[in-house]
Amino acid sequence: EVPLLESGGGLVQPGGSRRLSCAASGFTFNNYGMTWVRQAPGKGLEWVSSISGDGGSTYYADSVKGRFTISRDNSKNTLFLQMNDLRVEDTAVYYCAKDPANNGYFLGYFDYWGQGSLVTVSS
Amino acid sequence: EIVMTQSPATLSVSPGERATLSCWASHSIRTNVAWYQQKPGQAPRLLIYGASTRATGIPARFSGSGSGTQFTLTISSLQSEDFAIYYCQQYNNWPQFTFGPGTTVDIK
Repeated sequence: EVPLLESGGGLVQPGGSRRLSCAASGFTFNNYGMTWVRQAPGKGLEWVSSISGDGGSTYYADSVKGRFTISRDNSKNTLFLQMNDLRVEDTAVYYCAKDPANNGYFLGYFDYWGQGSLVTVSS
Repeated sequence: EIVMTQSPATLSVSPGERATLSCWASHSIRTNVAWYQQKPGQAPRLLIYGASTRATGIPARFSGSGSGTQFTLTISSLQSEDFAIYYCQQYNNWPQFTFGPGTTVDIK
């Protein structure tokens, strides 16, 4: 088992900010690329952002580019997603997910997922 | 962006029957497709990657096939725990990963 445990979700007003965390255990964290995927209520899955194992390479969906920042603290086995200028359409369950490539980069699919953290953007 | 489509949107199947789910890509993605299962209130679970390779611990009744733009997930004999939503995902157009809209497999 590869636990990934998200935290930090909650209710935020439009234009506000929120930081999500994902605590990882059970694997050598810095050897793996990590990704955030979100799911709006009753909807499908949407890739949000990915980061390489050393944190040196980051990638964003166009829908969040310039507003969200992905980062990681390998000393604490933790992945982050800083979300700024939040919009109603950002309301979703945010999942952190692990890539199976053990070289710090990506194969592009996700072998383990956290349980998700709900972010609700509403006034 | 590569658009993924899935059909049918809902598939009603009796336990023990075979289920065949389809997924199409708007452009060729070779065999860079994964399938996930999601149950209500749970995270997605990886079933298949590389179009046809079962992930660790996935029962043999799940199989995947296809290449290019057309892919299939087959559940050979549906068990009660298999009623869920199934998503395909392409990872050929890296890192702009995209998912299909899902197929709900429910009890007939």
